[in-house]
Amino acid sequence: DADVTQTPRNRITKTGKRIMLECSQTKGHDRMYWYRQDPGLGLRLIYYSFDVKDINKGEISDGYSVSRQAQAKFSLSLESAIPNQTALYFCATADRPNQPQHFGDGTRLSIL
Amino acid sequence: GQNIDQPTEMTATEGAIVQINCTYQTSGFNGLFWYQQHAGEAPTFLSYNVLDGLEEKGRFSSFLSRSKGYSYLLLKELQMKDSASYLCAVREGAGSTDSWGKLQFGAGTQVVVTP
Repeated sequence: DADVTQTPRNRITKTGKRIMLECSQTKGHDRMYWYRQDPGLGLRLIYYSFDVKDINKGEISDGYSVSRQAQAKFSLSLESAIPNQTALYFCATADRPNQPQHFGDGTRLSIL
Repeated sequence: GQNIDQPTEMTATEGAIVQINCTYQTSGFNGLFWYQQHAGEAPTFLSYNVLDGLEEKGRFSSFLSRSKGYSYLLLKELQMKDSASYLCAVREGAGSTDSWGKLQFGAGTQVVVTP
């Protein structure tokens, strides 16, 4: 089983819909991150969290919200999806700041 | 914030050596990571440099010069499976503000290995 699991793996939806992307981990890491990846732009940080009481905005948080339901679960929501949020979304975890981040397999989201 | 620059694409022949450069401009620096990402897949960790010098791991090596804001990833004895995007990522912040381990990623370098 994967250590960092993202669901769904693929999603096609319409403009204006509310969407939730979920991430769960079995690594026991405190730090969790949400990124989006667009061609030519690399990975950009949306939100990050140290624990259930610590939620922080990243570089591109507008239009997104998150919930850290437990140490192992970190969900990303798009309250009203728009086409320019079409991207590949990754969740990642880390044990310590100087340790590598471990990525889930990604969610490919298309908004029509 | 930080600017991280790496070439968009590089092509090399199977068995050859390729060097991927990464330059960064930062107000705070706590280390640099290299990740490999095959198309449509998750990034996977390759190396981490926090002190100046060369780190070697089998066919892959990574170098860091903090004074020059420069790193490179060296791939030796290239194999077809090395065709992928290689991401340079700088660990932000300093002192207590670095407890989250945030990373700033470059756009990635697509390496194409030809027979």
